[in-house]
This record gives sequence, structure tokens and C-alpha cells, in this order.
Amino acid sequence: QKEVEQDPGPLSVPEGAIVSLNCTYSNSAFQYFMWYRQYSRKGPELLMYTYSSGNKEDGRFTAQVDKSSKYISLFIRDSQPSDSATYLCAISGAGGTSYGKLTFGQGTILTVHP
Amino acid sequence: NAGVMQNPRHLVRRRGQEARLRCSPMKGHSHVYWYRQLPEEGLKFMVYLQKENIIDESGMPKERFSAEFPKEGPSILRIQQVVRGDSAAYFCASSPPTNYNEQFFGPGTRLTVL
Repeated sequence: QKEVEQDPGPLSVPEGAIVSLNCTYSNSAFQYFMWYRQYSRKGPELLMYTYSSGNKEDGRFTAQVDKSSKYISLFIRDSQPSDSATYLCAISGAGGTSYGKLTFGQGTILTVHP
Repeated sequence: NAGVMQNPRHLVRRRGQEARLRCSPMKGHSHVYWYRQLPEEGLKFMVYLQKENIIDESGMPKERFSAEFPKEGPSILRIQQVVRGDSAAYFCASSPPTNYNEQFFGPGTRLTVL
């Protein structure tokens, strides 16, 4: 079983739609949860960083963590064509030398069409 | 405030040659991480370094790969006797000393082995 599972999509939505991106993870010891956005042939860009369960909002983006279900989500409101990218979830903090080591999901390819 | 810098951006090597990838972290960041992104695969952790120390190299292949982060100068990822399977995008990230989970990525080096 992979440590992090993420549906690779692709996901195609119309402009203005609410987008929901999700990941599940297997080790309940993970404590830190991140979302990155990666445009084609570019480096990943940190979007959201959360610790433990709950919601965190930043502009049109909301990150949600449910540790009891080992499930993390990223919601994008009023999606724009410029949001078209690959979205990667990442987890860390399972203890010992794992601190600093990010484990990434496969990435979900999102296309927002005008 | 410059971000993480990597060079070269593109590197072509023939089988058996050596590849050297360089990474300069963001100003004020003392932690460096290397990740590899193979075609059709997600980002995989390779190594976590602080100045003059390797903290976690659990993702490094046992042979031909090495990494360093000297007291002065950039971090170097070195691949000896490259093979075609080493062709990938190699990303470097850095974090502040207070939060190793908040990692900022560089643009990557795309290595092609002929």
C-alpha cells in the first residue's frame, strides 16, 4: 500500500467551478500536510501548509485535514484557467529521521476551461 | 529575495559520464532537500542535508549517487556513471531552520542520459 494515494485525474472543469482535490494516507503518525501546485516543466509551488486536523483558508483555496479518516482535501473556489496545473499533496512528520522528508501523492492534473 | 536556484536547468550526458547538479537555497535557509521526478511518477525524496551534514539519505540509491552541502557554496547532487534510467527532473528544495516542512522548490534540473 502506498503511503499517499491521490487520483491522478485528469480533472476538467469549467471556469468558476468549485474544485475538490483529495488524498488519503496510510500512516496515522503523519502530522504535517501540504499542497503544492506544479505548472508544466516548472518546480512545485507551496500553496498550503497545515498541521493536524481542521481547515485553513487562503484566498480562493481551503485546505482540510481529517486525521481520523486519514483524508486531506484542497478546495479551489471560483476556479480560473490560470489554476490549470498539477496539484500535489504531501505529508511529513511521522517521527525520527522522517522529519523533513516529504512524501508526495501522484498528483492530480487539473484543467479549467474558459 | 531570490528563490531557490538550480543549475544547470538542462543537462545532457552520455551513459557512463558524471552529472553534477547544483542548488543554492533561499537566503536564510540552512536546510536543503533533493527530490527526483521520473516520467509518469510523482516526486520522490532522495536526501536531506544541513550545512556539512547529511540528515536523512534514505531515498538515495545505494550506488553512484552522492550529495553534499559544504560550509561554503551550493549543495551538489552527484551522479556517477549515469545510465538511461537516471533521466529525470531533479528538484532541490530549501526550508528555514525553524520549519523543515515548509519547503520551497527550485525550477529543477532536467537530466537526459543518451
